[in-house]
Amino acid sequence: DSGVTQTPKHLITATGQRVTLRCSPRSGDLSVYWYQQSLDQGLQFLIQYYNGEERAKGNILERFSAQQFPDLHSELNLSSLELGDSALYFCASSVGAGIVLETQYFGPGTRLLVL
Amino acid sequence: KNQVEQSPQSLIILEGKNCTLQCNYTVSPFSNLRWYKQDTGRGPVSLTIMTFSENTKSNGRYTATLDADTKQSSLHITASQLSDSASYICVVRGGGADGLTFGKGTHLIIQP
Repeated sequence: DSGVTQTPKHLITATGQRVTLRCSPRSGDLSVYWYQQSLDQGLQFLIQYYNGEERAKGNILERFSAQQFPDLHSELNLSSLELGDSALYFCASSVGAGIVLETQYFGPGTRLLVL
Repeated sequence: KNQVEQSPQSLIILEGKNCTLQCNYTVSPFSNLRWYKQDTGRGPVSLTIMTFSENTKSNGRYTATLDADTKQSSLHITASQLSDSASYICVVRGGGADGLTFGKGTHLIIQP
């Protein structure tokens, strides 16, 4: 158990809908990272938040958005869902901003299926 | 464009044997390189992290090497065990604000 929690574990929805994925980092970790993992693409970095502020941005679509709240939990919002958005979404956390040699601890993931 | 290429895509070896996984990257500027182990359906777990000044790092039966000149890394697994069956992902962090670049992983199967 990494100490990172993600809810829900599974999510099934229809195209065009909007969903929210939630992540609670390990106690004391200030950074939260979001990743998407599909079968053909592997892990894709989406976005990083550090202490409430956006820190780094990867291949995140405009239909997706995220935020980190004062209690450091984070939410990833996915809207206008398409079939291709079906994937595993992982959240990870680390102590600092991630520039130095830090280990990221991954949560168990949320499996999203868009029908 | 930053890229990380891993080979082989998949590998099957017998329990007790050694194996080596490869990672080539074009990320620039380079900050650090990480190897992760990911069991099926679970989140990745960090094995090693190396900067450009480190050329080898071990974690138990796992030994990672880095050649920053040729932009290559390898992960050597010694005396493989059934529990080593997993995907091994090479991840490179650049110096910019675009975070991490992930390889697609090597799927390793250890057979008894």
